[in-house]
Amino acid sequence: EAGVTQFPSHSVIEKGQTVTLRCDPISGHDNLYWYRRVMGKEIKFLLHFVKESKQDESGMPNNRFLAERTGGTYSTLKVQPAELEDSGVYFCASSLNRESSAFFGQGTRLTVV
Amino acid sequence: QKEVEQNSGPLSVPEGAIASLNCTYSDRGSQSFFWYRQYSGKSPELIMSIYSNGDKEDGRFTAQLNKASQYVSLLIRDSQPSDSATYLCAVNMGSSNTGKLIFGQGTTLQVKP
Repeated sequence: EAGVTQFPSHSVIEKGQTVTLRCDPISGHDNLYWYRRVMGKEIKFLLHFVKESKQDESGMPNNRFLAERTGGTYSTLKVQPAELEDSGVYFCASSLNRESSAFFGQGTRLTVV
Repeated sequence: QKEVEQNSGPLSVPEGAIASLNCTYSDRGSQSFFWYRQYSGKSPELIMSIYSNGDKEDGRFTAQLNKASQYVSLLIRDSQPSDSATYLCAVNMGSSNTGKLIFGQGTTLQVKP
């Protein structure tokens, strides 16, 4: 069974550009989460989908970040326009339900220059 | 005070020894606790989950939970060089099990041959 997959694995963009990250959760997992780790800090929650609905987006830094999960399958996280402080590793995770263990993708390393 | 605290280490143990990793959390109502292992540049990999007070064993790994002391630990018996990694404590914070994980900064473990 395929795990959580993320694309791309690395992205280098210039300040002001737009980047879209994609996450494919484990098949059948209704819960999908986005997390971010900036250098030297702990992994921090960004938002949580249940199927196509946003359950909690309290961790989204600002309105430059837009997450979608149309159809309740894969999710995208768009950063527009990107700023230097957006650099970090963006992880996606999925779980069967809110109480069960979350499985992480390999992450997308975003570098904004 | 951070919501989930870990000693960043590095914790260095000789091969074959027991490695003890500790974590404290701030929300007394939390119900679900997880240990993830992360190799450099890789995704967090779930090792253990624990929900009830006491010990939970899985192979060489034992998770220990003490809700009264707000403390969760991970013991690794017969440590191997391949166990060298960063160990992340994650808590599904609060009594409502939202699925949102709060991570500690991680403890770096070095197992020396």
